[in-house]
Amino acid sequence: DSGVTQTPKHLITATGQRVTLRCSPRSGDLSVYWYQQSLDQGLQFLIQYYNGEERAKGNILERFSAQQFPDLHSELNLSSLELGDSALYFCASSASGGAVGDTQYFGPGTRLTVL
Amino acid sequence: AQSVAQPEDQVNVAEGNPLTVKCTYSVSGNPYLFWYVQYPNRGLQFLLKYITGDNLVKGSYGFEAEFNKSQTSFHLKKPSALVSDSALYFCAVRDSNSGGYQKVTFGTGTKLQVIP
Repeated sequence: DSGVTQTPKHLITATGQRVTLRCSPRSGDLSVYWYQQSLDQGLQFLIQYYNGEERAKGNILERFSAQQFPDLHSELNLSSLELGDSALYFCASSASGGAVGDTQYFGPGTRLTVL
Repeated sequence: AQSVAQPEDQVNVAEGNPLTVKCTYSVSGNPYLFWYVQYPNRGLQFLLKYITGDNLVKGSYGFEAEFNKSQTSFHLKKPSALVSDSALYFCAVRDSNSGGYQKVTFGTGTKLQVIP
């Protein structure tokens, strides 16, 4: 158990809908990262937040957004869902935003199925 | 730009034999290197990392990795494979020149199959 929690574990929804994925980082970690894992694209970095502020952006679509709250939990919002958004979404956390040797620890993931 | 390559989609090894999962990287500065393992329907679990110092890094579950700067490689090894080691393995790299945030690039993963 990494100490990173994600809810829900599974999510089934329809095209065009909007969903919210939630992540709680390990105790004391200030950074949260979101990744998308699909069979054809591998593990894709979406976005990083550090202590409430956006720190880095990866291949995140405009239909997707995220935020990190004062208690450091984070939410990933996915809207206007398409079939291709079906994937595993992982959250990871790390102690700092970029210190040497900082290690990311991953949550168990949320499996999103768009029908 | 930083990149990482795992040249083998799948590695098969007999139980009890030594295993190697290959990883090569490209960075402009110094590399920070990581290995993760993913079991089916689970998140990635951190195995080990190289930041600086001894080229041989020991990690969880008896795994180790050897950093080779001249060959820009960071291969994962284990002296004796177990069936329970069967999983998907990811190599990841961060460039010391990546600035104040931690952009880590993950490889495409190598499926390890340990045959009883």
